[in-house]
Amino acid sequence: DIVMTQSPVSLAVSLGERATINCKSSQSVLYSSDNKNYLAWYQQKPGQPPKLLIYWASTRESGVPDRFSGSGSGTDFTLTVSSLQAEDVAVYYCQQNYDIPLTFGGGTKVEIK
Amino acid sequence: QVQLQESGPGLVKPSETLSLTCTVSRGSISGYYWNWIRQPPGKGLEWIGYIHHSGNTNYNPSLKSRVRISVDTINNQLSLTLTSVTAADTAVYYCVRHGHQWWTLEEGVDWGQGTLVTVSS
Repeated sequence: DIVMTQSPVSLAVSLGERATINCKSSQSVLYSSDNKNYLAWYQQKPGQPPKLLIYWASTRESGVPDRFSGSGSGTDFTLTVSSLQAEDVAVYYCQQNYDIPLTFGGGTKVEIK
Repeated sequence: QVQLQESGPGLVKPSETLSLTCTVSRGSISGYYWNWIRQPPGKGLEWIGYIHHSGNTNYNPSLKSRVRISVDTINNQLSLTLTSVTAADTAVYYCVRHGHQWWTLEEGVDWGQGTLVTVSS
């Protein structure tokens, strides 16, 4: 299985400040045939199912605000919220869809400082 | 947009079988990959397995000996069966639609609201 490790476990950021979440995979999720990283980011608010934010490591899902961005390649990835808003309080998960079984990181809880 | 609704017993006794149904509305089961993902209370996400409308399945090796996913294309439903449950199987169970390949997320990912199943005597 590909193990996904997220850091930090929790993060407190002031409104309008930057939040940065890291995700590391135990093996590369870069598919050489199409040069795409099969890494996604999800946002989960309390009592709700996860919502897809980003796929292919850096492509925003339709309707996702541009303050959310993803970067990285191979085994190291980052989700950045450039200017944290109150509605961004949530748990964020990375997921690899490179191989079966699909696996998720342990989650990062983002709160307002 | 497709809607997914999970249903089934909220309480299952240890050693018994957990059975859930996902009803798909405002869309067809055909052509897509359908997943079951679970989340123990206060914890992270675990992929259980997927099924294609053709019946092609793949399961998490950690659960493979106990899990079965099936599809009913006539009634637009998916089913999850998990045998010999223990307290560790207590979780919110989600039905999740991927795209035309199991790895495809760029066509959108749709989640049901989830259903909590508690394993307890």
